[in-house]
Amino acid sequence: DQQVKQNSPSLSVQEGRISILNCDYTNSMFDYFLWYKKYPAEGPTFLISISSIKDKNEDGRFTVFLNKSAKHLSLHIVPSQPGDSAVYFCAAKGARAAGNKLTFGGGTRVLVKP
Amino acid sequence: EAGVAQSPRYKIIEKRQSVAFWCNPISGHATLYWYQQILGQGPKLLIQFQNNGVVDDSQLPKDRFSAERLKGVDSTLKIQPAKLEDSAVYLCASSFGVSGANVLTFGAGSRLTVL
Repeated sequence: DQQVKQNSPSLSVQEGRISILNCDYTNSMFDYFLWYKKYPAEGPTFLISISSIKDKNEDGRFTVFLNKSAKHLSLHIVPSQPGDSAVYFCAAKGARAAGNKLTFGGGTRVLVKP
Repeated sequence: EAGVAQSPRYKIIEKRQSVAFWCNPISGHATLYWYQQILGQGPKLLIQFQNNGVVDDSQLPKDRFSAERLKGVDSTLKIQPAKLEDSAVYLCASSFGVSGANVLTFGAGSRLTVL
């Protein structure tokens, strides 16, 4: 039962352009959504989060949009830089009753071409 | 601030052998997690500790996997006996608490190959 899905396994974008990563979820009880970035041979590192009561959160070049009615969120990176080449994971946090557990999507590999 | 430490970084074993992974979380982080990441998939939670008590181990294959967090600090994850499908990266993570976004800090992981 995949509660968090990232349907695009990979994305290639030119340096300076926008990268858009998508994530869908099924459980309406998630109260926070997070994006993590992972380089090879390293652990995932936290990038940005959004509360379920918001529809947008911005941090520098990174913006996350949440559409609760569609159970969909997206991460926009603009402008994309070669150092952004990594695997990006969407994660959703369950409510307290669910142990505040983080459930991850399968990841999207981003390649930014110089 | 020191990060989450894990060892060993790499381990190759034969099926039916045993293996143990160690994790030392960030100082002061009460919550510790073990995730399994199979190649091409996202991390899957195996077990979550709050101090030295288990909060969630619903996805831990208890016939072969065990984990403990004595004294509420570092933790070990053991697999005995290992199967081919246990080949994965085992990620340890910690967090200060579970409120808000509950941002986890991950270690670099322990890559297990079962032959």
